[in-house]
Amino acid sequence: DVKVTQSSRYLVKRTGEKVFLECVQDMDHENMFWYRQDPGLGLRLIYFSYDVKMKEKGDIPEGYSVSREKKERFSLILESASTNQTSMYLCASSLRTGRVNQPQHFGDGTRLSIL
Amino acid sequence: GENVEQHPSTLSVQEGDSAVIKCTYSDSASNYFPWYKQELGKRPQLIIDIRSNVGEKKDQRIAVTLNKTAKHFSLHITETQPEDSAVYFCAAVGGATNKLIFGTGTLLAVQP
Repeated sequence: DVKVTQSSRYLVKRTGEKVFLECVQDMDHENMFWYRQDPGLGLRLIYFSYDVKMKEKGDIPEGYSVSREKKERFSLILESASTNQTSMYLCASSLRTGRVNQPQHFGDGTRLSIL
Repeated sequence: GENVEQHPSTLSVQEGDSAVIKCTYSDSASNYFPWYKQELGKRPQLIIDIRSNVGEKKDQRIAVTLNKTAKHFSLHITETQPEDSAVYFCAAVGGATNKLIFGTGTLLAVQP
């Protein structure tokens, strides 16, 4: 069974801090994703990665960056946290099999509050 | 870019009734359509998916239909049970971008 683990379930940080959210998957998946989930807006893609050292912007990348130094780990970075980044953050991973899309498997999420 | 609309936003049914959630997508090149269920405080979990070369797929009480011409797809849950209560998200993969675009979710409440 696929296991996607996010380092924290709850996190409270202050405005202006640099914040790191970590995600690890144990199924050797090539693809990894970061979403934020807000009421009434569904899940919105922030960044994704198809391979180590590779990253691509999603729909709402502003104020975020990512790092993929190892295949199993994908980090989301809030460069200078702001209150409008208070949200639930979800990490996901999936296999890459040519152009055939595979299901994404999600972690439990990190509820981040910026004060 | 790709857009996915989902309706209704809330749905309340009596136990044993059927529930239908509908989604429309904008990118005619989309070829993969998963459905996720998210219980309160838990992760989204894939419950069923369908690819563009298939019109319908069924798994026990859950079925999904796809109409490529009209660019819409629907989730059907029959004989609903209280444990079906959750938020359901549809999604579509953009044909050009290969990214999953999610609908805004449907809160399903099954009344015992």
